Amino acid sequence: QVQLVQSGAEVKKPGSSVKVSCKASGGTFSSYAFSWVRQAPGQGLEWMGRIIPILDIANYAQKFQGRVTITADKSTNTAYMELSSLRSEDTAIYYCAGDSLAARLFDYWGQGTLVTVSS
Amino acid sequence: DIVMTQSPDSLAVSLGERATINCRSSQSVLYSSNNKNYLAWYQHKPRQPPKLLIYWASTRESGVPDRFSGSGSGTDFTLTISSLQAEDVAVYYCQQYYSTTAFGPGTKVEIK
Repeated sequence: QVQLVQSGAEVKKPGSSVKVSCKASGGTFSSYAFSWVRQAPGQGLEWMGRIIPILDIANYAQKFQGRVTITADKSTNTAYMELSSLRSEDTAIYYCAGDSLAARLFDYWGQGTLVTVSS
Repeated sequence: DIVMTQSPDSLAVSLGERATINCRSSQSVLYSSNNKNYLAWYQHKPRQPPKLLIYWASTRESGVPDRFSGSGSGTDFTLTISSLQAEDVAVYYCQQYYSTTAFGPGTKVEIK
């Protein structure tokens, strides 16, 4: 059973970048894939992308292609999501979510990280 | 891309009564080779991460109360809460994982 702990809240200026981390414990890191899902205020859940650490392969939702980079560090059991060219619409809670590779079923979730984009 | 829709947007149900949420996918999420529907349901309460309730359209996740049930196949699915409890107040999302993944817009469930 893996536990996911995310980094703390961030306040960013428009045009800048943010990098959020998600540290996994209690399971074998390479047995999982990690997705990033966000929820903007008053909006629903939006999948951004996913990485399979054992293959070091990431794929992204078309909406975020070119603006998001998802990476994983197997030495520290940590996944990262970096979002660039931030705008106010990127203000949201960002969740990391783990699945056991067989299917994108999100059994495990981090606590969420609030990213606020404001000038 | 597969687009997910849900209805209604919100519903208010009396305690102990049935709540029914519908989900539709823009194309079938039934994989013919294993006869499985790649459809899941999540419960999302404020200030908490979402929780997986049901997968393969009708399989309850371990620990999920049996008042939650899922049904449907192909493109049309239903989540039913047979007897609404106060702790069930939440937003419910369907998710397809047939082709990458996508969530529905959510259905807010409240107490009448």
